[in-house]
Amino acid sequence: DAKTTQPTSMDCAEGRAANLPCNHSTISGNEYVYWYRQIHSQGPQYIIHGLKNNETNEMASLIITEDRKSSTLILPHATLRDTAVYYCIVRPYTGTASKLTFGTGTRLQVTL
Amino acid sequence: DADVTQTPRNRITKTGKRIMLECSQTKGHDRMYWYRQDPGLGLRLIYYSFDVKDINKGEISDGYSVSRQAQAKFSLSLESAIPNQTALYFCATSDSLDRRGYTFGSGTRLTVV
Repeated sequence: DAKTTQPTSMDCAEGRAANLPCNHSTISGNEYVYWYRQIHSQGPQYIIHGLKNNETNEMASLIITEDRKSSTLILPHATLRDTAVYYCIVRPYTGTASKLTFGTGTRLQVTL
Repeated sequence: DADVTQTPRNRITKTGKRIMLECSQTKGHDRMYWYRQDPGLGLRLIYYSFDVKDINKGEISDGYSVSRQAQAKFSLSLESAIPNQTALYFCATSDSLDRRGYTFGSGTRLTVV
């Protein structure tokens, strides 16, 4: 799996957009970008994934640069419940190499 | 009921004891995984199974074994528990197309004393 680089921690005011960056300069053509989050010690939760087009779902938006070497997860209106560790992971979509490999992620603190 | 259920939620055991952590799922997924998480660190893969007859080692399988009893059940065993196996253990499932990512259980907090 390609290595990803994320900031260790970020702060965001409640109600504002949280923009979480991720660098993945060695990403391969068949690798997708996945985002998960882990609230306190709960099991990680899937957020979104994409290949090269921007994606949006009910939780977040994913912006992938044209060269695919970096991406940004956007939480449009952060709430206190979005305080969590956010993991950016790149991996093939399927096949035997498609296991999730977690780094240390970005700890997002949403404040009043 | 949760889609992925792990039992027990918490367990304290003594060094040298054999212990089994159980995972069951109602997602109908083919693939199941066991991860461990140490404080302040990301999750590390212990074992994974892409179907009932398929078992594979992950990055930290030493000291662990698994059993895939059925599509819905995947158990992790510590043959002889040691203190550095104290951690939070997560089971996860996914379908073969990974359409909605992995679904994780709530975790088992294991303490080996």
